[in-house]
Amino acid sequence: TQLLEQSPQFLSIQEGENLTVYCNSSSVFSSLQWYRQEPGEGPVLLVTVVTGGEVKKLKRLTFQFGDARKDSSLHITAAQPGDTGLYLCAGSRGWGSARQLTFGSGTQLTVLP
Amino acid sequence: GAGVSQSPRYKVAKRGQDVALRCDPISGHVSLFWYQQALGQGPEFLTYFQNEAQLDKSGLPSDRFFAERPEGSVSTLKIQRTQQEDSAVYLCASSLSSGTNTGELFFGEGSRLTVL
Repeated sequence: TQLLEQSPQFLSIQEGENLTVYCNSSSVFSSLQWYRQEPGEGPVLLVTVVTGGEVKKLKRLTFQFGDARKDSSLHITAAQPGDTGLYLCAGSRGWGSARQLTFGSGTQLTVLP
Repeated sequence: GAGVSQSPRYKVAKRGQDVALRCDPISGHVSLFWYQQALGQGPEFLTYFQNEAQLDKSGLPSDRFFAERPEGSVSTLKIQRTQQEDSAVYLCASSLSSGTNTGELFFGEGSRLTVL
């Protein structure tokens, strides 16, 4: 059972469109991370958010941590084919305690040229 | 090497065979994790080492799964009497262990196990 639910599970869009991926839980997390995974590779960290309400931007990607630290969103502006991949959120319930990292179910994003 | 290295990348086993999966973490990383990832799903935690000590093995699905890290560096995940439901990608990750970081994990490319 995944403690972190991601939606949508699959998303296929045209190049240039905007999109938002959601990560929701009934549990409170001390921090939340977003990873991107490409086929045949391991997940790669994109960002870590720690404070409730925090917003972080990474080029065309905007990450937000919910005020109650139970949910997060990832918004991509003007998506490009290179953004294609499996996006995973992962919540930690212990500061500096990576062993408590729980992954979400993932959103498979396909950006068509 | 610069990253986490896993071997073999692909393993096909007949049901009932034993398999061993190897992980070579980033040099100097004291924390090491094993995750199991089913197709199209997020990784599921299996076990965690800090140096040579296995501090958490709560995610191991059965007593057929065993992991070790005898010298606090290379780790091996062993699966005895493999079953079809063991088919998955097994990911290894390492991390600097610190009281102030948020546990960024550096993943290997994974070992894809297929049990026939």
